[in-house]
Amino acid sequence: DTGVSQNPRHKITKRGQNVTFRCDPISEHNRLYWYRQTLGQGPEFLTYFQNEAQLEKSRLLSDRFSAERPKGSFSTLEIQRTEQGDSAMYLCASSQPRGRSSYEQYFGPGTRLTVT
Amino acid sequence: QKEVEQNSGPLSVPEGAIASLNCTYSDRGSQSFFWYRQYSGKSPELIMSIYSNGDKEDGRFTAQLNKASQYVSLLIRDSQPSDSATYLCAVLERADGLTFGKGTHLIIQP
Repeated sequence: DTGVSQNPRHKITKRGQNVTFRCDPISEHNRLYWYRQTLGQGPEFLTYFQNEAQLEKSRLLSDRFSAERPKGSFSTLEIQRTEQGDSAMYLCASSQPRGRSSYEQYFGPGTRLTVT
Repeated sequence: QKEVEQNSGPLSVPEGAIASLNCTYSDRGSQSFFWYRQYSGKSPELIMSIYSNGDKEDGRFTAQLNKASQYVSLLIRDSQPSDSATYLCAVLERADGLTFGKGTHLIIQP
């Protein structure tokens, strides 16, 4: 049972460029979450999918951010026209569908974004 | 606005002693509670989940929940230097996104 994987692990981009991150959840997990974490803070929830349906979006997810999970497996998070304030660790998590432990979320290694 | 409060620390504990980490939350509708450990530069790792009032033990870790007081705690017995990390408390109201505290930085002194 492999864990959650994320690519790339690091991304350096110039302000104004678009970036896309990928997340592959644990294979049997049908829920997938995106979070953002900045230094000294806990992760902040961005959005959540159940299968291919995007069920919730945080106010943090501005119009420049879009997430997809087209076949209910992997997900992508795109940031358009990046700003220096977008510099953060972007974390993906997944959870399994059955029982009480379905609420336990397991995180991938994250993608560290630096906007110069 | 859901809030989760933790003392940022650092909390310094001698090796072999009990480390006690505390967390309070604002949303009375919260149903599920979690503790994550995060090493510097790494992602959060789930170490405990608790859903009912009382204690839950797993190895050297004990999570305690008091919904009436809106309080969650984590005890680490026989603390080891490898336990030095930031411990994040997280709460969940429904099957959606977790709300995290800022974390407590724990240092285990050899």
